[in-house]
Amino acid sequence: QKEVEQNSGPLSVPEGAIASLNCTYSDRGSQSFFWYRQYSGKSPELIMSIYSNGDKEDGRFTAQLNKASQYVSLLIRDSQPSDSATYLCAGVNYGGSQGNLIFGKGTKLSVKP
Amino acid sequence: DAGVTQSPTHLIKTRGQQVTLRCSPKSGHDTVSWYQQALGQGPQFIFQYYEEEERQRGNFPDRFSGHQFPNYSSELNVNALLLGDSALYLCASSLGGGGLYEQYFGPGTRLTVT
Repeated sequence: QKEVEQNSGPLSVPEGAIASLNCTYSDRGSQSFFWYRQYSGKSPELIMSIYSNGDKEDGRFTAQLNKASQYVSLLIRDSQPSDSATYLCAGVNYGGSQGNLIFGKGTKLSVKP
Repeated sequence: DAGVTQSPTHLIKTRGQQVTLRCSPKSGHDTVSWYQQALGQGPQFIFQYYEEEERQRGNFPDRFSGHQFPNYSSELNVNALLLGDSALYLCASSLGGGGLYEQYFGPGTRLTVT
């Protein structure tokens, strides 16, 4: 059973701090990972994708992938109250013509003003 | 650039009834995947359609079926509804033929079964 594990939180950080969200996965064959942000009552929004070992930066977000440790993380710098949401980590389950996403349960982030 | 659209937004059904949910993919995308998200859980994969065929299926019973039309839009049908089918149903679109697997979600349909 391929799984993606996340700490459900809640993770609380003060405004302006760095929020660190972590995710581990069981499938060593996984190559592609994604972070989605989901506000309460809304659908997931893709914020980062990462396909190779190392760091990928996009604005205040940095995704990190360590395939040897089967570990993915998301750093949010200068956290804002508007970043308060549930963050979902997803890996690709290959099969068929496309592959589907396997999600963790999400980590709820709260940024306090 | 039109994003993924879904209809209806909300739906209330009774146990045993049947429901059809609809999805139009993002412009330029040809692959549609459906997910079920229960409260407090991550989305669970139901199935994926590409070139009007079901290409992959998750661990869902045959009560869940779907279809993809020539214009790439898709339907999800659920028969003999159970209370446990109450959830947010998400449609995600992507570009087929292999590649980056980036999937973009629609706003979802909130289904309540009473």
